Amino acid sequence: DTAVSQTPKYLVTQMGNDKSIKCEQNLGHDTMYWYKQDSKKFLKIMFSYNNKELIINETVPNRFSPKSPDKAHLNLHINSLELGDSAVYFCASSQDGVAGGHETQYFGPGTRLLVL
Amino acid sequence: RKEVEQDPGPFNVPEGATVAFNCTYSNSASQSFFWYRQDCRKEPKLLMSVYSSGNEDGRFTAQLNRASQYISLLIRDSKLSDSATYLCFNDYKLSFGAGTTVTVRA
Repeated sequence: DTAVSQTPKYLVTQMGNDKSIKCEQNLGHDTMYWYKQDSKKFLKIMFSYNNKELIINETVPNRFSPKSPDKAHLNLHINSLELGDSAVYFCASSQDGVAGGHETQYFGPGTRLLVL
Repeated sequence: RKEVEQDPGPFNVPEGATVAFNCTYSNSASQSFFWYRQDCRKEPKLLMSVYSSGNEDGRFTAQLNRASQYISLLIRDSKLSDSATYLCFNDYKLSFGAGTTVTVRA
């Protein structure tokens, strides 16, 4: 059973399109995250949700809109895709809140986005 | 200045060698520290948590030095399967380092 799953695994699209990436976790965790890993392999936090509420939004362009319909799902919608959006996007989850330190994060397999 | 900085390596070591590397962090209020391992084109996976008292898991030893604001990872008796990129993490702004690449050769 996959703990954190993402779809699609690969996404190739044209500039200007709108696309969504879905993430689901079956670990019963309260907190979910989206990270972007660019070509230089730097893994950077984009968003964090705790019990469906946005708690971290790290200077991400507003073309990126996360949505959490329930605490097991955190989807990422991207409008007007740009070349610079090409990267691997990882979803993660953890069993904690944001105060008092963080627990282990469990990552999904990643979505490889290529914008042409 | 990045929140977390690592020596990118690569560290190229023979099997059986010991390899160690550090990760410095900028915010003294950071509370949680972890080492993750990332294999090529895969997701990061937890290697170990890092505690002030130091902790050991088999061939891996992690240390936290709050005074100098760094964490370290030491791998003893390196195996070919240890070849990976090792990412440090601290909870201040959920910051990952850029990774240290280790290659263990036969």
